[in-house]
Amino acid sequence: SAVISQKPSRDICQRGTSLTIQCQVDSQVTMMFWYRQQPGQSLTLIATANQGSEATYESGFVIDKFPISRPNLTFSTLTVSNMSPEDSSIYLCSVAPGNEQFFGPGTRLTVL
Amino acid sequence: GQQLNQSPQSMFIQEGEDVSMNCTSSSIFNTWLWYKQDPGEGPVLLIALYKAGELTSNGRLTAQFGITRKDSFLNISASIPSDVGIYFCAGQLTGDYKLSFGAGTTVTVRA
Repeated sequence: SAVISQKPSRDICQRGTSLTIQCQVDSQVTMMFWYRQQPGQSLTLIATANQGSEATYESGFVIDKFPISRPNLTFSTLTVSNMSPEDSSIYLCSVAPGNEQFFGPGTRLTVL
Repeated sequence: GQQLNQSPQSMFIQEGEDVSMNCTSSSIFNTWLWYKQDPGEGPVLLIALYKAGELTSNGRLTAQFGITRKDSFLNISASIPSDVGIYFCAGQLTGDYKLSFGAGTTVTVRA
């Protein structure tokens, strides 16, 4: 398994602002992912964070709205840009050191 | 991602009862995973299944990988109050690192 931490754990933001979420893993992993979980919903993959190259985004998600950095094999950031109330969700990072995926505790974002 | 149908959507059970939930897919999966999410937390991996027909236990939890590779079920025996939470199934296609998630089953245990 892997131990994953995220910062911040929660935040309340004003519309039009941006928030950067950090994800730290206790071991080096190649595969790192960012998910969104809207209120009362399941998990939706935003993008795969690739070390040393641009992230790979899923349909419906774009780099301008969700820029991602992956400077090394233990760390990644997701920025939620120009936020609106519709961005209020839990944002989760996950890693796949093998065949299984493990999740961080999530960042609960509320946009007013 | 692929469409996974998870049922039931929610259940209220008495403490001590057994619980069963399942997921079905129109696609053949290589891996089935079951997660539990407590309020305010990220999903925690409960059981991972890799072979058709595989039956795996983790304490009071038992999960099976369906023979057709298009379905999986999770059983919880003798439920206790801490079993409350949302259970998600997730499937992975052969050669794909991405997971597709079910909509979740919300379990509430009556003491």
